[in-house]
Amino acid sequence: SQQGEEDPQALSIQEGENATMNCSYKTSINNLQWYRQNSGRGLVHLILIRSNEREKHSGRLRVTLDTSKKSSSLLITASRAADTASYFCAAGIQGGSEKLVFGKGTKLTVNP
Amino acid sequence: GAVVSQHPSRVICKSGTSVKIECRSLDFQATTMFWYRQFPKQSLMLMATSNEGSKATYEQGVEKDKFLINHASLTLSTLTVTSAHPEDSSFYICSALTGSTYEQYFGPGTRLTVT
Repeated sequence: SQQGEEDPQALSIQEGENATMNCSYKTSINNLQWYRQNSGRGLVHLILIRSNEREKHSGRLRVTLDTSKKSSSLLITASRAADTASYFCAAGIQGGSEKLVFGKGTKLTVNP
Repeated sequence: GAVVSQHPSRVICKSGTSVKIECRSLDFQATTMFWYRQFPKQSLMLMATSNEGSKATYEQGVEKDKFLINHASLTLSTLTVTSAHPEDSSFYICSALTGSTYEQYFGPGTRLTVT
């Protein structure tokens, strides 16, 4: 299977704490994307990091990418109860198809 | 901008019937759309890539005769689940590429229940 792995599978923290989620993938990529999904809903794009980038910030989000280890991390700082959701990484596969291979996801619960 | 809609949001059908799900890009043209399936508490699995004006490309293990995809215009792709069975019950999500970035914009999903 090309599907990537994410850890942890579930993460429960208190409001104000930071949340770190990790993702590993198996293929060569053009980019690595992170998405958020609230229960039973569609996905919301959070951030995209290109294969030649190592770190990217967007608001309270910080993403890193290590192509030598085929891994990425998503850090959410100063978490809020509204951040409670499932977070998925998705590897943008090289080869021109622009397909995404999704990781298994991390279910984040931020307790107020 | 870059809004994708799906219709219906929820459908219940009897085993053996066919169900059509629509995916529309509302404010942009999408030459490429993707169809995913998501089982409860699992990740998204790509079913097929839908290209406007050409045949869809199906992922390994996805039956093209069972999951018919039509991408007849730059703003509409449809997925028809033919002769649905209870094991086809799932959350079906589409996404669309704007063409200017690698970012996919996702629809809100369609929950299919086959009884």
